[in-house]
Amino acid sequence: GAGVSQSPRYKVAKRGQDVALRCDPISGHVSLFWYQQALGQGPEFLTYFQNEAQLDKSGLPSDRFFAERPEGSVSTLKIQRTQQEDSAVYLCASSLADPGVGLEYFGPGTRLTVT
Amino acid sequence: QKEVEQNSGPLSVPEGAIASLNCTYSDRGSQSFFWYRQYSGKSPELIMSIYSNGDKEDGRFTAQLNKASQYVSLLIRDSQPSDSATYLCAPSPSGNTPLVFGKGTRLSVIA
Repeated sequence: GAGVSQSPRYKVAKRGQDVALRCDPISGHVSLFWYQQALGQGPEFLTYFQNEAQLDKSGLPSDRFFAERPEGSVSTLKIQRTQQEDSAVYLCASSLADPGVGLEYFGPGTRLTVT
Repeated sequence: QKEVEQNSGPLSVPEGAIASLNCTYSDRGSQSFFWYRQYSGKSPELIMSIYSNGDKEDGRFTAQLNKASQYVSLLIRDSQPSDSATYLCAPSPSGNTPLVFGKGTRLSVIA
């Protein structure tokens, strides 16, 4: 594809439900990042993959959050037992380079609303 | 904790004026600095990068970096209503770790 895609674009979940958010990075991009952006805030780092290896998951807010990238391309961010404070836009970005380089390719985000 | 501070605004400037956006950061090891523009409901878009002390100009945008003061700024000359957006500062922390974003400054350019 031409860019990073994410699905679904919008998700409404009832508190306690599990959700899965998908990210399709640009083909060939080895690095993939997940960020969480609450309303009125900047993006907060969640986790980072290089190929299929999850190199940094220090930003995951709790053990209810889990991310995977089993074949080094598509990634899924799973949130178990969703809470209202999980309501945010979840952004995925991919890159050819190491994480210290500016991220040029963000996906459109998934807006999660937990009711 | 690596922190990035930005005035949340809103910063209102008249069309044609210079908008000045400021950012301070705590990680002295940061080497690379990025400015993103984010329109409401859209994803961040990389607009400027700066790596050395001093000024870097790109069209109507100028980034300024002072590592000793741990300060980076973005100037937008001849501001246009289409520049109205949130501007995010993102230093690259030391240790090859992912970007840390500030909360952003909301800019409103009044026609």
